[in-house]
Amino acid sequence: AQTVTQSQPEMSVQEAETVTLSCTYDTSESDYYLFWYKQPPSRQMILVIRQEAYKQQNATENRFSVNFQKAAKSFSLKISDSQLGDAAMYFCAYRSAGVGAGNMLTFGGGTRLMVKP
Amino acid sequence: NAGVMQNPRHLVRRRGQEARLRCSPMKGHSHVYWYRQLPEEGLKFMVYLQKENIIDESGMPKERFSAEFPKEGPSILRIQQVVRGDSAAYFCASSPYGGRYNEQFFGPGTRLTVL
Repeated sequence: AQTVTQSQPEMSVQEAETVTLSCTYDTSESDYYLFWYKQPPSRQMILVIRQEAYKQQNATENRFSVNFQKAAKSFSLKISDSQLGDAAMYFCAYRSAGVGAGNMLTFGGGTRLMVKP
Repeated sequence: NAGVMQNPRHLVRRRGQEARLRCSPMKGHSHVYWYRQLPEEGLKFMVYLQKENIIDESGMPKERFSAEFPKEGPSILRIQQVVRGDSAAYFCASSPYGGRYNEQFFGPGTRLTVL
């Protein structure tokens, strides 16, 4: 079974600065997807960014980028130019992509990001 | 195109009562997933359904919990004889199809409180 670990329960960043959230995962599969979701106080789950394991290039979405290290099974999220609206819980998630694989997402325990004005 | 809808948003039940949570997937989506989020934890997969079929219920507790996704109408997650430990946020997600390229879109969740 796959596991996802987020070792930072809480992180804090000054507005306009950069912060990196860590995520490691354990799997024996070679084909999978990794995601970062944002959960603001409204509790709505918002997809931030997605990475396909077979792609070597790190995904980017505006101020959000990832550092995907497949051999190390590491998938960190970098938020540049942090804004007050970035304050939320952030969850790392894994999904198998193989034929006949389950479609469920496996989530980490989350990191609470606080942004200081 | 409306997103995934869940109702009710908040549900309060006393111990021993039944809780019914509803999920209407996005238009054109025929795959539904239910996840549970206990306080201060990440989401945990419960069950994956297609229309009229349960595909994977490996995350579902063996007793008191059931789910369905009928041909017509919303998907229902049913919890019988609720206990305090069932208090959590329950999220539904939908996708247009399964397999490699599915994208799961989440609803706003139902927060269940058991008194």
